[in-house]
Amino acid sequence: EVQLVESGGGLVQPGGSLRLSCAASGFTFSSYWMIWVRQAPGKGLEWVANIKQDGSEKYYVDSVKGRFTISRDNAKNSLYLQMNSLRAEDTAVYYCASSQWPQKGAFDIWGQGTMVTVSS
Amino acid sequence: DIQMTQSPSSVSASVGDRVTITCRASQGISSWLAWYQQKPGKAPKALIYAASTLQSGVPSRFSGSGSGTDFTLTISSLQPEDFATYYCQQAKSFPITFGQGTRLEIK
Repeated sequence: EVQLVESGGGLVQPGGSLRLSCAASGFTFSSYWMIWVRQAPGKGLEWVANIKQDGSEKYYVDSVKGRFTISRDNAKNSLYLQMNSLRAEDTAVYYCASSQWPQKGAFDIWGQGTMVTVSS
Repeated sequence: DIQMTQSPSSVSASVGDRVTITCRASQGISSWLAWYQQKPGKAPKALIYAASTLQSGVPSRFSGSGSGTDFTLTISSLQPEDFATYYCQQAKSFPITFGQGTRLEIK
């Protein structure tokens, strides 16, 4: 079964750090771009970051540049998001997704999401 | 950044109705557009990519059209499971951006 499973979410104080993980199974992880998308409570979808198959290209939304780092380990079929200097506005459900970027442009497979709450 | 604007923000319809949702890009994106469906508490599901290509497994009552700046998602005959929120997303350039969403409710 094709699957993405996120973990690592939780409650963290402003200024703190958190590392999200996304475990892939059922498909050739190393062949796909991987993405993080977030959704604040009651709000719409916001793209956070993309990473190319071999990790050689990474892109971020401006609001997280310098604070978040996307990475992957193809040997472990895993995607990561290191989040530092967290702010209240980073509170959201974080989804990982895969894509045949750029040919397809859509995010095909999604995880179930992991909740990150930034609050004192 | 390319801004994506959906209309309407919400729509009420009945089972069997035909519904059209519009998405407008702030600049031309050719056919680099995807549509998603999201149900409460669930992850989004890709419906359409390249503006009009149906994702595998998506029912044929869903269709997409448009290019450049104006796009539409049409559901030809609403089914009970179609009541959800729909998002468009541009894939032309970074940062990738989504529309604000259209909530499709039961009348």
